Amino acid sequence: DAMVIQNPRYQVTQFGKPVTLSCSQTLNHNVMYWYQQKSSQAPKLLFHYYDKDFNNEADTPDNFQSRRPNTSFCFLDIRSPGLGDAAMYLCATSSRRTSRETQYFGPGTRLLVL
Amino acid sequence: RKEVEQDPGPFNVPEGATVAFNCTYSNSASQSFFWYRQDCRKEPKLLMSVYSSGNEDGRFTAQLNRASQYISLLIRDSKLSDSATYLCVVTRGGSQGNLIFGKGTKLSVKP
Repeated sequence: DAMVIQNPRYQVTQFGKPVTLSCSQTLNHNVMYWYQQKSSQAPKLLFHYYDKDFNNEADTPDNFQSRRPNTSFCFLDIRSPGLGDAAMYLCATSSRRTSRETQYFGPGTRLLVL
Repeated sequence: RKEVEQDPGPFNVPEGATVAFNCTYSNSASQSFFWYRQDCRKEPKLLMSVYSSGNEDGRFTAQLNRASQYISLLIRDSKLSDSATYLCVVTRGGSQGNLIFGKGTKLSVKP
């Protein structure tokens, strides 16, 4: 089945130790998103790629970076995780080739910072 | 004013009850509207899109009032499996583009 895959599902890192989360998709969607969701809060968009074009949200800290080496893969790099970065990180994809855009989410990676 | 506002609940209802969720949005340029469902510690999943004329999918009915910038979701004959958080979602502008999520309304259906 076509889907959005995130690895790992759970990630434990140490304060200040760089960490990379990965997302892949078999939907051939041209847009990939990264969201951060903390407990009892709405998912918060960090950035997205529209094809190869990177679009950063104005309030996303510089500590968060992203790479999209090809259509199928997108990575979230946290350069120096702080305790406040512990959250669920959700990857989503969509196709802006259609008039009504629907986003499909991966299962998320839950990040714990020690 | 928050971009998307929802009553956080929780709504505790018995099986078989009818329950309604409301949502307001602040950006009059938003053109696409959705309800997502999110189970505890899982990802959001699209429940239904919301169309101007209102739409129904089985026990679920969504309504949109553009003049009031108000969206609703009605669930009839609630099931235990409906227990989840329901997220109201709108596009930031136009029919495509970035989504703005509400915090969600938590529903708990009891036997």
